[in-house]
Amino acid sequence: DAGVTQSPTHLIKTRGQHVTLRCSPISGHKSVSWYQQVLGQGPQFIFQYYEKEERGRGNFPDRFSARQFPNYSSELNVNALLLGDSALYLCASSLGWVPEETQYFGPGTRLLVL
Amino acid sequence: GENVEQHPSTLSVQEGDSAVIKCTYSDSASNYFPWYKQELGKRPQLIIDIRSNVGEKKDQRIAVTLNKTAKHFSLHITETQPEDSAVYFCAASNPKDTGRRALTFGSGTRLQVQP
Repeated sequence: DAGVTQSPTHLIKTRGQHVTLRCSPISGHKSVSWYQQVLGQGPQFIFQYYEKEERGRGNFPDRFSARQFPNYSSELNVNALLLGDSALYLCASSLGWVPEETQYFGPGTRLLVL
Repeated sequence: GENVEQHPSTLSVQEGDSAVIKCTYSDSASNYFPWYKQELGKRPQLIIDIRSNVGEKKDQRIAVTLNKTAKHFSLHITETQPEDSAVYFCAASNPKDTGRRALTFGSGTRLQVQP
């Protein structure tokens, strides 16, 4: 039984560029959440999607956007990259969209902005 | 919004000893409190969670206690083993916060179990 998968595993970009990160949830899970984890800190919530609709948004600028596809996979897009966007980006999936449901994390995409 | 504080930031214990990690939260409406373990370079993995209708939950060597009045919850690991060495994160969520249906994480505790 495959867990949450994310691609790519690592990425190096320069300031001002754009990046797209991808996530495939556990089979049967309809909710995907995105978190940013800066080195030495806990994950910070960016977005939650359920049934292709945005259901929650954290305190991140409009440079961050996301979407969910009919197969429940998701993309996180970040425009005009800043050095401070360097972090591990985690995707988590759950059956539904209430936070009491267990969230299962993917391995993350490590983004380095130079 | 919710704010979660976690202490200590680092914890070193001898193998076989107990370890306790404490978290406080600010939103009295929060009702779900999971704990995640993250080994170096790996994904966070849920190890135990508690909901506000119970005060304590135990799973083998791991237990979590919740004090809703004081707005704090704790992770207890007994008979620690070297493989317990990792970073542990607490989290909290308020399902009624319609703008942020998500987990708010603490800053993490690096636990090192010395053999």
